[in-house]
Amino acid sequence: QLQLQESGPGLVQPSETLSLTCTVSGASISSSVYYWGWVRQSPGKGLEWIGCIYYSGNTYYNPSLKSRVSISVDTSKNQFSLNLSSMTAADTAVYYCVRQPKTNNMDSWGQGTQVTVSS
Amino acid sequence: EIVLTQSPATLSLSPGERATLSCRASPGFSFFLAWYQQKPGQAPSLLIYDASKRATGTPARFSGSGSGTDFTLTISSLEPEDFAVYYCQQRSDWPPSITFGQGTRLEIK
Repeated sequence: QLQLQESGPGLVQPSETLSLTCTVSGASISSSVYYWGWVRQSPGKGLEWIGCIYYSGNTYYNPSLKSRVSISVDTSKNQFSLNLSSMTAADTAVYYCVRQPKTNNMDSWGQGTQVTVSS
Repeated sequence: EIVLTQSPATLSLSPGERATLSCRASPGFSFFLAWYQQKPGQAPSLLIYDASKRATGTPARFSGSGSGTDFTLTISSLEPEDFAVYYCQQRSDWPPSITFGQGTRLEIK
């Protein structure tokens, strides 16, 4: 059974970089069918797709976040990671890692992790 | 960028009634339209993909329809567990991106 689990800090200082990792179990991240992505949800902005990565390293990013986002993959650990720089209060949200069939939608979600930006 | 507008924002119905939720894409056509259900304290879960295909485990009372710019999610006869928030989502090729609608809250009348 596929499981995705987010890990990382729940509190980030303004201007710092958020680093989150998603550990995938029950499936190989090296599957040719799937991309692996990040989605966030805040009360003010609803659901927002951040970006996704293929096991080969090919990435797609939300144009509105592209200048601050980096997603990487570690196939040896069956993990992928998100870095989001220059964090502000507007980045406070629940961050989900997801599986994306051919990037089209999100068929599996992690439970989500709350990230708060505050000094 | 394609914007997805969902209506109504809130829908109040009783168990056993039929629910019709709308999602409109603007500007331009939308492809790979998907619908999600989110219950309080939980992550969203995929219900419908490619506008009309039920995801694994989606009950048959859920159906999706539409193409181009107008899409509909229909729940034929509401069960108590169906009261939740529903989101539509689309993928665009250029610029390559994914966007969500703002959601429709389906509440018990």
